Amino acid sequence: NAGVTQTPKFQVLKTGQSMTLQCAQDMNHEYMSWYRQDPGMGLRLIHYSVGAGITDQGEVPNGYNVSRSTTEDFPLRLLSAAPSQTSVYFCASSYRSGRTSSGANVLTFGAGSRLTVL
Amino acid sequence: QKEVEQDPGPLSVPEGAIVSLNCTYSNSAFQYFMWYRQYSRKGPELLMYTYSSGNKEDGRFTAQVDKSSKYISLFIRDSQPSDSATYLCAMRADKLIFGTGTRLQVFP
Repeated sequence: NAGVTQTPKFQVLKTGQSMTLQCAQDMNHEYMSWYRQDPGMGLRLIHYSVGAGITDQGEVPNGYNVSRSTTEDFPLRLLSAAPSQTSVYFCASSYRSGRTSSGANVLTFGAGSRLTVL
Repeated sequence: QKEVEQDPGPLSVPEGAIVSLNCTYSNSAFQYFMWYRQYSRKGPELLMYTYSSGNKEDGRFTAQVDKSSKYISLFIRDSQPSDSATYLCAMRADKLIFGTGTRLQVFP
């Protein structure tokens, strides 16, 4: 049971380049999300999905796109990379998405993708 | 003012010490309170989870929630070097909010 798998682990981009961070989970979780983690800022939600075909914006969505064509996969696309997007990105999933459901709090995180934009 | 405040540390303690990690918050609507542990260059993992006020114990770890004071704590008894990590508090009302994390170092 792999849990949440993120690729790549490390990436260096030049300003203006685009790329996709991949996230896959094998736990049949309904809810999937992307966070970025920056020093002194904590984890901030970028985008999330409550099921295949359904996505929504989080706290810091600008410059990022997502799609959810299957339950398992939730890729994060950087459209035109900027130095401000240098960060560590985490994908996380949970088995329930309802805000009053206790399961929504039990997030399983991937190991992270470290992105540097020059 | 951030919704959730957490001292970044680092907190350095000797092995065997009792550790107290704390978060304060401003949103009285928070109902679910969690502690995540994050080892260096890894993703966070859920450590403790409580609903509303009260205490919850799991082995050497105890989570406390005081909603009247808007204050939550994580106590670690008999701390071990393997407890060295960053501890993130998290809280949920309609959305999940994370603290910035406290870095803990337990030295032998």
